[in-house]
Amino acid sequence: GAVVSQHPSWVICKSGTSVKIECRSLDFQATTMFWYRQFPKQSLMLMATSNEGSKATYEQGVEKDKFLINHASLTLSTLTVTSAHPEDSSFYICSARKTSGSNTGELFFGEGSRLTVL
Amino acid sequence: QQPVQSPQAVILREGEDAVINCSSSKALYSVHWYRQKHGEAPVFLMILLKGGEQKGHEKISASFNEKKQQSSLYLTASQLSYSGTYFCGTESGSGTYKYIFGTGTRLKVLA
Repeated sequence: GAVVSQHPSWVICKSGTSVKIECRSLDFQATTMFWYRQFPKQSLMLMATSNEGSKATYEQGVEKDKFLINHASLTLSTLTVTSAHPEDSSFYICSARKTSGSNTGELFFGEGSRLTVL
Repeated sequence: QQPVQSPQAVILREGEDAVINCSSSKALYSVHWYRQKHGEAPVFLMILLKGGEQKGHEKISASFNEKKQQSSLYLTASQLSYSGTYFCGTESGSGTYKYIFGTGTRLKVLA
């Protein structure tokens, strides 16, 4: 099946610093990627839809200036958590949707990035 | 709007069956089912697109009702490996490429 790689798997940072998380589709092109946040024992909440070559679409309540998304190529989207605070600590997961070939429509997930802000 | 799943949690003995429901207040374009192990990313199980569709995957199958507002996931003769949290997910409409996940159902299978 298709592979989506996310990096780093976990990161610990000090309050006020910025953290960048990368999401790569390794064997298919993804014009659209999704970023989710998941708090313990809760569902995945869609933060934003990342569109290659254009601005991301943010969900209501998600601060676009705090969660910067860049989708510069068909295989890479990045999420930067700026001026992180302890309440930003969470499990961040990216996903990409195949739009052609086998398993079209299936959503492939990265391994997730656990962010802890001290 | 987030689909609502029921039950919130269930505990089974190995070999028992379970049904997980996913309901939406409006018709869905599609429904996807995923299983997530603790600390891991969700894993795709299956996708249903048509009202009245039923689809199977080994001992795990799912249905999508005619009105496309409800889907059920059926786990038969459960195995220890079935433990995890199950999520239904949906696209809000054709071509929107916006995926929203349900509230989740935690399943624990005991030996």
